[in-house]
Amino acid sequence: DSGVTQTPKHLITATGQRVTLRCSPRSGDLSVYWYQQSLDQGLQFLIQYYNGEERAKGNILERFSAQQFPDLHSELNLSSLELGDSALYFCASSVGPSNYGYTFGSGTRLTVV
Amino acid sequence: AQSVTQLGSHVSVSEGALVLLRCNYSSSVPPYLFWYVQYPNQGLQLLLKYTTGATLVKGINGFEAEFKKSETSFHLTKPSAHMSDAAEYFCAVIPSGGSYIPTFGRGTSLIVHP
Repeated sequence: DSGVTQTPKHLITATGQRVTLRCSPRSGDLSVYWYQQSLDQGLQFLIQYYNGEERAKGNILERFSAQQFPDLHSELNLSSLELGDSALYFCASSVGPSNYGYTFGSGTRLTVV
Repeated sequence: AQSVTQLGSHVSVSEGALVLLRCNYSSSVPPYLFWYVQYPNQGLQLLLKYTTGATLVKGINGFEAEFKKSETSFHLTKPSAHMSDAAEYFCAVIPSGGSYIPTFGRGTSLIVHP
């Protein structure tokens, strides 16, 4: 157990729907990162939050949004889902905003049908 | 922009043989370099990292990697493969002085035969 908790582990939903993925960072970590892992794109950075504030943005679609709450857990919202959004979504956490080496959760596997 | 190339999407070795996973990067400034391992149905776990200092870095599970600036490489090695080493391995790079978000390679799947 890495200490980073992601729920749910698996999610199957239909095109056009909206889902929310949840991440609880390791105890003491203030920074949360979201990544998408797919066969064709590899591991892509989506977004980073540090202590509730957006810190860095990567290849995140406009249909996707995220936030980090006062208790430091984070949610990634995916809307108007398309078949191509099927992927593994990972959350990672680190102590500070600029740490080298994160701790990853075990991911949420999203299947859009 | 930096990029990371992992040569070979699959590497197959026999148990007890040398493991060599290749990683080359392109970066305009000296980078920070990482290797992560991903076991089935799990997240990525940090194996080792190079930031400054000694260019030969030792990590967990007997793995090590050497930063070679002249070759822009950071290959991962292990003298003797175990069955438990079968996993996906990712090289990642962060250019020093810039964003702290790493760019990951596409990964190399290590297959270990008995």
